[in-house]
Amino acid sequence: NAGVTQTPKFQVLKTGQSMTLQCAQDMNHNSMYWYRQDPGMGLRLIYYSASEGTTDKGEVPNGYNVSRLNKREFSLRLESAAPSQTSVYFCASRVVGDQPQHFGDGTRLSIL
Amino acid sequence: GQQLNQSPQSMFIQEGEDVSMNCTSSSIFNTWLWYKQDPGEGPVLLIALYKAGELTSNGRLTAQFGITRKDSFLNISASIPSDVGIYFCAGLRIQGAQKLVFGQGTRLTINP
Repeated sequence: NAGVTQTPKFQVLKTGQSMTLQCAQDMNHNSMYWYRQDPGMGLRLIYYSASEGTTDKGEVPNGYNVSRLNKREFSLRLESAAPSQTSVYFCASRVVGDQPQHFGDGTRLSIL
Repeated sequence: GQQLNQSPQSMFIQEGEDVSMNCTSSSIFNTWLWYKQDPGEGPVLLIALYKAGELTSNGRLTAQFGITRKDSFLNISASIPSDVGIYFCAGLRIQGAQKLVFGQGTRLTINP
């Protein structure tokens, strides 16, 4: 299926380890987003990239970094993982204007 | 960070019943979106609303964009087992990279 692809689907880390979550979209979308989903909290925006070459902080950016590698790819990095970063991470992309975002299937990350 | 107030948080209904859920905000949005999330998957767009007062249907689903632009509701008629999941509302303002604000979700459980 075309759309937003996230890798890996599952990951377990130890506190202090680093990790990069990968996201790629094949819809030629301009904007890409990283969210985390925690029980009872809905989705909260971590970082976003409005277009290739730009990135900006969202609601909960602390402890994360991002790279918009090219138009297709947007990665999320945890430099020193903490248990509070245990969550499900979703990547999304959007074309332009008021068009809605399309989501990947998520990466389930556990930090021990 | 801002989130939308979505209610109810959970619903337990019998198959065949109608369902209604809503989202409210203290801020105005230009676009309202409704997503559904199945277990282990990312949110999938159900309905997008672009104009105040707009009423839009997608099969058994009907959603409305509130006239004040501060609320939206989603109705599901004649529920079936595959309607089980978590439903999210999301609001979008037309500014910058157009960051979505999500509700906390409504978890729908259906008894056959």
